[in-house]
Amino acid sequence: DVKVTQSSRYLVKRTGEKVFLECVQDMDHENMFWYRQDPGLGLRLIYFSYDVKMKEKGDIPEGYSVSREKKERFSLILESASTNQTSMYLCASSGGGGGPETQYFGPGTRLLVL
Amino acid sequence: AQTVTQSQPEMSVQEAETVTLSCTYDTSESNYYLFWYKQPPSRQMILVIRQEAYKQQNATENRFSVNFQKAAKSFSLKISDSQLGDTAMYFCAFTDANSNTGKLIFGQGTTLQVKP
Repeated sequence: DVKVTQSSRYLVKRTGEKVFLECVQDMDHENMFWYRQDPGLGLRLIYFSYDVKMKEKGDIPEGYSVSREKKERFSLILESASTNQTSMYLCASSGGGGGPETQYFGPGTRLLVL
Repeated sequence: AQTVTQSQPEMSVQEAETVTLSCTYDTSESNYYLFWYKQPPSRQMILVIRQEAYKQQNATENRFSVNFQKAAKSFSLKISDSQLGDTAMYFCAFTDANSNTGKLIFGQGTTLQVKP
């Protein structure tokens, strides 16, 4: 079974703090994704990575950055957390090449910024 | 730009009955994939069913089936013999088959409650 894990289920941070959200997958997937989930808005793509050290902006990248130094790990960084970044963050991974593959999701990190 | 719309924020159904969740999408692409994902309360999102646009036959997975109307750009999910474990938020999603990154575009989600 594909396993996608996220470093924290719940996180509380202060405005202005630097926040790291970690995601690890164990299926040697090329593609990894970070989404944020907000009520009534569904999931919106923040950033994705299709290879080590490769990244592309999604639909809402402002205020976020990412890092992918190893294939299995994809980190989301909030350089200076703000209250409007309070949300559920979901990581996903999928196999690359050929055609679109099913995305496998982690359990999510619920972030509260005070 | 592609969009996915789920117009039913919340739905409920009695156990053992059938329920249909609606999804419409907009795209100029001819080759794409559509998905329904399920997110149970406090649990991980999982794939329910997947439809390839070039296939005319509607996808089926046990009690879950879709009604894919390509011309109308409609992709509804039918859940038969609803079970309490079907209680979840359901997301409709789209991806361009010509993309090698598999980026998904999601709808707003429909919260389904199955009542005993």
